[in-house]
Amino acid sequence: GAGVSQSPSNKVTEKGKDVELRCDPISGHTALYWYRQSLGQGLEFLIYFQGNSAPDKSGLPSDRFSAERTGGSVSTLTIQRTQQEDSAVYLCASSPLGGGLYGYTFGSGTRLTVV
Amino acid sequence: DQQVKQNSPSLSVQEGRISILNCDYTNSMFDYFLWYKKYPAEGPTFLISISSIKDKNEDGRFTVFLNKSAKHLSLHIVPSQPGDSAVYFCAAGIGDSWGKLQFGAGTQVVVTP
Repeated sequence: GAGVSQSPSNKVTEKGKDVELRCDPISGHTALYWYRQSLGQGLEFLIYFQGNSAPDKSGLPSDRFSAERTGGSVSTLTIQRTQQEDSAVYLCASSPLGGGLYGYTFGSGTRLTVV
Repeated sequence: DQQVKQNSPSLSVQEGRISILNCDYTNSMFDYFLWYKKYPAEGPTFLISISSIKDKNEDGRFTVFLNKSAKHLSLHIVPSQPGDSAVYFCAAGIGDSWGKLQFGAGTQVVVTP
């Protein structure tokens, strides 16, 4: 597609349930990132995929969070046993190679609300 | 810890005037910096970047200035237009971190007629 596509755009879930967030990057972009933005905060790095290399998971806040990228394209971020502090906008971005000075393209995000 | 800080949560400026957004950082390892612009319900969009080997980069109405000794950068928008009303994020990265960025908390800019 022309841009980075994320689904769902909004998700309301009960505390303790698992959720899956999907990201479809720009075709041909080898790098894929997940960030999240909590209310009033800046963007917080979660995880980064680059080609076939092992992902950089250094930003995942707990072992309840995991992500995978299948076939070097679509990525799924999974949050198990959701907590209220997980409520945030989850943003996916992609770039050719490593982004850097050329920035990367974000999707519109998934707004997750845990009630 | 917050390595990139935008201390002004909001800025109001008249149409046609200059908007100056400020950003401070603490990590001297950062070697490139970017500004992103974000409208409500949309993802951030890349605006302009600067390498640490430069002190200025200009693109149309947007100019970014970098003062490495002060660990400070700024974004100038001249002239400001109503469509510039958005949240602006400063971000910084390290060359060998493959694009992983540290973001500031953002500055809400409102351009008034």
